[in-house]
Amino acid sequence: EADIYQTPRYLVIGTGKKITLECSQTMGHDKMYWYQQDPGMELHLIHYSYGVNSTEKGDLSSESTVSRIRTEHFPLTLESARPSHTSQYLCASSEVGGELFFGEGSRLTVL
Amino acid sequence: DAKTTQPPSMDCAEGRAANLPCNHSTISGNEYVYWYRQIHSQGPQYIIHGLKNNETNEMASLIITEDRKSSTLILPHATLRDTAVYYCIVSPYGQVGGGADGLTFGKGTHLIIQP
Repeated sequence: EADIYQTPRYLVIGTGKKITLECSQTMGHDKMYWYQQDPGMELHLIHYSYGVNSTEKGDLSSESTVSRIRTEHFPLTLESARPSHTSQYLCASSEVGGELFFGEGSRLTVL
Repeated sequence: DAKTTQPPSMDCAEGRAANLPCNHSTISGNEYVYWYRQIHSQGPQYIIHGLKNNETNEMASLIITEDRKSSTLILPHATLRDTAVYYCIVSPYGQVGGGADGLTFGKGTHLIIQP
């Protein structure tokens, strides 16, 4: 059973607001990831981290930012949300060489 | 990453074996075949992976051809809860995250289990 949690599950917010999507895992995994997925479309990696103080951009350019101050926590922030940011954001973690464990996702709607 | 080719959709009757094919003709010698599935809009779930030998776990079996250019995921007794998008991914072992790590989720196969 995967122990990776995302909050909020659903968020509806107005344009220009700052939002932070939380992701926490209790498995002690060093590697963590954020994927973005529009309905019915492919997953795209937007950020990943190899461990504390490590953050890298993924294949898909994103206006969001991430931080990794603690091993278990990998929050994603949008400083000024826009309708184009409406999507589902999926967090995942893994051991080095292990499979990905995903959270249940955060579905963001920006009006 | 080597690219994979999967049929966009498949149907299978409940209780029957679901056989999901994947072509990966440009796979490299150090690349594994991974399968994940995504039920509705939940986060993808790992199913199984293998290098060249056939593999079986409690969820599924993975059959890899001798030349490693294709594989088949087998769900032995499909249930309605197996309806999902199934992703076949090839990647070097340990590089499963994406970006510099090299893992990419494609479009997958939408498997629909019919009652």
